[in-house]
This record gives sequence, structure tokens and C-alpha cells, in this order.
Amino acid sequence: EAGVAQSPRYKIIEKRQSVAFWCNPISGHATLYWYQQILGQGPKLLIQFQNNGVVDDSQLPKDRFSAERLKGVDSTLKIQPAKLEDSAVYLCASSLDRLPSNEQFFGPGTRLTVL
Amino acid sequence: TQLLEQSPQFLSIQEGENLTVYCNSSSVFSSLQWYRQEPGEGPVLLVTVVTGGEVKKLKRLTFQFGDARKDSSLHITAAQPGDTGLYLCAGASNSGYALNFGKGTSLLVTP
Repeated sequence: EAGVAQSPRYKIIEKRQSVAFWCNPISGHATLYWYQQILGQGPKLLIQFQNNGVVDDSQLPKDRFSAERLKGVDSTLKIQPAKLEDSAVYLCASSLDRLPSNEQFFGPGTRLTVL
Repeated sequence: TQLLEQSPQFLSIQEGENLTVYCNSSSVFSSLQWYRQEPGEGPVLLVTVVTGGEVKKLKRLTFQFGDARKDSSLHITAAQPGDTGLYLCAGASNSGYALNFGKGTSLLVTP
């Protein structure tokens, strides 16, 4: 079974530029998550989709971050314009939505450096 | 947001030693998961605990969920260099599938 795919793996941009990340979840997983992981910290949920609808985006900085999940499969996360504090690893995860033990499967992440 | 506090933040030990890491919260969770993350990779699930007081063993790793489902511990016996990594606990609330992660315990096991 193929895992969660993410691209690119690394991205370096200057502040005020734009960047987009792509995620392809495990086939059949209805729920998709984007997390931000700053160095030395645990992942912080940015947005959660169930199929193509947003379940939770309460921690997404909506003035600069946006995300979409077209057709309930792939997803893109965009930052426009980027700030220095956006430097982090952006992780995508997907799950089958089986409570109470809902295992999330993570991709390798995209490491973003904002200069 | 339900906060999960992990301790210690960093741990450096020699091969063969035992260790315990802790995950504490003031909130009750429907389940709690432990993940391990290696550099350049995403977290990988080690175990899920659901029932208060539950103990699960995975080879040299022993996981325990507190009776009140607010805390958990991970004990590693005879640590090996391959155990090196970031250990993250994550709690799921009763309201849905989202996880709240702790900041993690960074473990280094030297030969």
C-alpha cells in the first residue's frame, strides 16, 4: 500500500514570496490533515478536511495561508506571502476515521526555509 | 486546544539503559497515541491506548494509559541506538478525529 506522498521535499524562498505544497493521501482515506512542525516542537494542526469539506481550520492563519482539497483526494496548502516565522516542516496526514483509535498516517513532510 | 506536556524534553543515555518518558494533561482523552519521528521523516504510530489503566507492550517498549485517561507513559527497556528519535504523544478528544500533539521527547541512545 502506497503511503502519503508530499512534494516538494524541500523549498527555500525569500520572505514575501509565495509557495505551495502538494499532498496525495492514502487511497480511500476520507480525512486529510495539514500540520506545521516548527523545529523542536510537535506538529500543530493547521487544517482538517473530511472528503472535500473543511472540518477544522481554527488554527490556520487565514490572512496568508489557504488550503483546498479538490474532489476529496489530493490537497494543496499555499502560503502567500511567506514570513520568516513560517520556516517549518509541513506535514500531511490521512486517516480512515475509525474511532476511538484513529491512526493517522504521515507523509515525509516539506521542509520550508524562508530567508 | 487540549495541552499535552511531555517530559523530559531531551534525554541522552547509553545503550542498555532503561528510560521512561511522560505525557501529562489536565484534559481527558478518548484515546492517546504514541508516535516516533526520525529526522527528515513524518511521525510513525507506535501504539494507541484507549482504556484507562491499559498497558500495552511492543517488544522492549511498554505503554501505559492513566486510569483517568489524562496521562500516559512510555518505558523502554535496554535501549538501543535504533531507538533514537523524537517520541510524540497525541491525544484524541471525544469530539472527533483531530489529534493534539505534545512537543515531544528527543531521545539519543549512544553505543
